[in-house]
Amino acid sequence: ETGVTQTPRHLVMGMTNKKSLKCEQHLGHNAMYWYKQSAKKPLELMFVYNFKEQTENNSVPSRFSPECPNSSHLFLHLHTLQPEDSALYLCATTRDRSTEAFFGQGTRLTVV
Amino acid sequence: KNEVEQSPQNLTAQEGEFITINCSYSVGISALHWLQQHPGGGIVSLFMLSSGKKKHGRLIATINIQEKHSSLHITASHPRDSAVYICAVRGHGDKLIFGTGTRLQVFP
Repeated sequence: ETGVTQTPRHLVMGMTNKKSLKCEQHLGHNAMYWYKQSAKKPLELMFVYNFKEQTENNSVPSRFSPECPNSSHLFLHLHTLQPEDSALYLCATTRDRSTEAFFGQGTRLTVV
Repeated sequence: KNEVEQSPQNLTAQEGEFITINCSYSVGISALHWLQQHPGGGIVSLFMLSSGKKKHGRLIATINIQEKHSSLHITASHPRDSAVYICAVRGHGDKLIFGTGTRLQVFP
């Protein structure tokens, strides 16, 4: 248990669906991150939120839309995804930008 | 070429063996992380280090800043150590840059 909880753990969605991934942390951390992990590739940073403000968008397609309504919750809204978007999506938090990262269990997304 | 390279990509061992996983990087860093990812997907931070050596139980991590190299050692390996071990460096702008991981399987 890392203190970072992601739901759902598994998600299968069609290319025309709209779904959301949720990340919740009870660590009091100020920075929250979305990462994508595809098979045989390093983790790719997607978005960074610092004190609820988006500070980084790593050239992510607009079909991925993040939201950080408060310091404990981070969402990733998905719409009109492509099969190549199938991957493990990981949320992470840090107390600030330069400290140890705590990861959630990830959401395994399959786009059909 | 990735900025963070790990070797080997895959590693099998018998229970009790001493294991070494290597990480080389090509950028300036403020810290290096070793992470463990189990088959379920969740990632656990093992170490964050910027110099020298750290030890936690049977795990030891070392870093040589001049040579841009780090090693993760596991002593008296056990089947429960089977996982993917990921090296990540914190570069400029505090971004984490990840290696592709080393898949370790320890057999009884």
